Amino acid sequence: KQEVTQIPAALSVPEGENLVLNCSFTDSAIYNLQWFRQDPGKGLTSLLLIQSSQREQTSGRLNASLDKSSGRSTLYIAASQPGDSATYLCAAPNYTGANSKLTFGKGITLSVRP
Amino acid sequence: EAQVTQNPRYLITVTGKKLTVTCSQNMNHEYMSWYRQDPGLGLRQIYYSMNVEVTDKGDVPEGYKVSRKEKRNFPLILESPSPNQTSLYFCASSSGTGDLAFFGQGTRLTVV
Repeated sequence: KQEVTQIPAALSVPEGENLVLNCSFTDSAIYNLQWFRQDPGKGLTSLLLIQSSQREQTSGRLNASLDKSSGRSTLYIAASQPGDSATYLCAAPNYTGANSKLTFGKGITLSVRP
Repeated sequence: EAQVTQNPRYLITVTGKKLTVTCSQNMNHEYMSWYRQDPGLGLRQIYYSMNVEVTDKGDVPEGYKVSRKEKRNFPLILESPSPNQTSLYFCASSSGTGDLAFFGQGTRLTVV
């Protein structure tokens, strides 16, 4: 059974800082891992999907890495801005028979101070 | 624009009154699923569908029903809602299991 952990639960940084959000998972037999953003009261926005064959995936100021052997993924945010304030969730597939549901971490709530 | 659309966005109802939350996607995705999000528990899968007329239970299916008569639609049905079903619900779709998932904007349901 896949378990996904994100620590810490909350993070506050000053604007302009580069930061790393961590995600760990227990079952390394995954094909990919996804990072999402959730704004308060809003839906989930997919940020990056990183395949197991990749070590990194980049989108703008975001860079996600995946290390299956250690069961870890990181989301790097460069030059953080107040608009980056949101909850960031990682999700790993949990394969059970024909189903591949996403098992989510509880998220890291990021606050970027102006 | 590729999107997953849920309706309604907000709903307050009374215990026992049947309700349906609709979900529609315009990406011709085969795989669709429903999640609920609760404080401290995170997101948990309720039901999923691999294709038309193929549905199965997720982790927390009790008290819910789904149907998949058309590829684009995957409604969530609460036959007799109870207060413990008060939650934030998300519909998601992807081209296949484990592929990039697109989520709807969510439906905040309150059962009193």
